[in-house]
Amino acid sequence: GENVEQHPSTLSVQEGDSAVIKCTYSDSASNYFPWYKQELGKRPQLIIDIRSNVGEKKDQRIAVTLNKTAKHFSLHITETQPEDSAVYFCAASWDSGSARQLTFGSGTQLTVLP
Amino acid sequence: KAGVTQTPRYLIKTRGQQVTLSCSPISGHRSVSWYQQTPGQGLQFLFEYFSETQRNKGNFPGRFSGRQFSNSRSEMNVSTLELGDSALYLCASSWTLPLEPELFFGEGSRLTVL
Repeated sequence: GENVEQHPSTLSVQEGDSAVIKCTYSDSASNYFPWYKQELGKRPQLIIDIRSNVGEKKDQRIAVTLNKTAKHFSLHITETQPEDSAVYFCAASWDSGSARQLTFGSGTQLTVLP
Repeated sequence: KAGVTQTPRYLIKTRGQQVTLSCSPISGHRSVSWYQQTPGQGLQFLFEYFSETQRNKGNFPGRFSGRQFSNSRSEMNVSTLELGDSALYLCASSWTLPLEPELFFGEGSRLTVL
């Protein structure tokens, strides 16, 4: 089955700096890669996702890049703000259209220091 | 639109007991997935149901089971509880279309096994 590794497990940055979280996956059939953000005591929420036919996707201060050959994808947050502090999870899945099983990474605790 | 609702939110059980957790998906969502969240382990996939059928199952022992009803509500059951079953159990619902892959999570049921 799919295996997703996520690094680093913890990350502290100064407010205004950039943060990068990296994930690798094992199953070359995976074609969908979402990122979820979980604030303390809250439910995980999708912040951005990318499909395997795209190399990069941006949404304001957040971007995700995908390297299919190397089987890794990364989350980039620019101009970090205190409200970006949360646990971020990457995930991978193959999308048959009729069934989906997301495999999540172990999470990165991001702390933005004021 | 109401979000995903999980009950109970908190519960305490003792080893050997069994527990049933409930999940009501967003109206119109027919896919319901269950995840176990523990510190350092991220989100571990338990199973996914669609139209009362289990389509995918993660690598958990047979003590973990689930079902889905005709109204898409789902329950999961853990029998013969062990200390290691202490975790936050998250339910997520989604559309089943490839272009709508986002998982909408509930707030979770926090299980403590003593």
